[in-house]
Amino acid sequence: DQQVKQNSPSLSVQEGRISILNCDYTNSMFDYFLWYKKYPAEGPTFLISISSIKDKNEDGRFTVFLNKSAKHLSLHIVPSQPGDSAVYFCAASSPNFGNEKLTFGTGTRLTIIP
Amino acid sequence: GAGVSQSPSNKVTEKGKDVELRCDPISGHTALYWYRQSLGQGLEFLIYFQGNSAPDKSGLPSDRFSAERTGGSVSTLTIQRTQQEDSAVYLCASSLTSGGAVDTQYFGPGTRLTVL
Repeated sequence: DQQVKQNSPSLSVQEGRISILNCDYTNSMFDYFLWYKKYPAEGPTFLISISSIKDKNEDGRFTVFLNKSAKHLSLHIVPSQPGDSAVYFCAASSPNFGNEKLTFGTGTRLTIIP
Repeated sequence: GAGVSQSPSNKVTEKGKDVELRCDPISGHTALYWYRQSLGQGLEFLIYFQGNSAPDKSGLPSDRFSAERTGGSVSTLTIQRTQQEDSAVYLCASSLTSGGAVDTQYFGPGTRLTVL
């Protein structure tokens, strides 16, 4: 049972435009959400996170939005740059499961077209 | 400073053989995690070590999987009698600590295991 879902396996966006990556979750006990970025042959690197007490967190070109009622979060990248081409994983944690255990989605491969 | 390192980067083995995968966490990080990513799947939590506490093994898929962490630093994940479904990328991560808040986990590059 996939508790964190990324329904788009891939996304292509023109350079300079906005990239929007989506993530849905099923377990209402999740209270902390993270996005990781992964280049080929490298481990995932942390990008941005959001606590369930917020609905938005921004860091430079990256903004994460959380809609708790819909159990949905999204990552916005604007403007998109070629270096943003990577696989993006959404992850979630809950104190009930032990905050240290992250539950990951299957990832979305983002390709920025120059 | 040095990040999380893992060895080997690639491992091909025959079904039924045992394999050992190694992880060197970031120096000073007390928490260490193992995940695996099978083809088309997200990262799946396997096991977690925090300091000298007993590890959380709740994610290990079978008793063929075990892990240890010596001296609170290097960790070894052992898979006995490997099966083809064990083929995956095994990722190790470490974090500075693991208190009530979620500390950033820093991942190694992974070991790609292929069981023939």
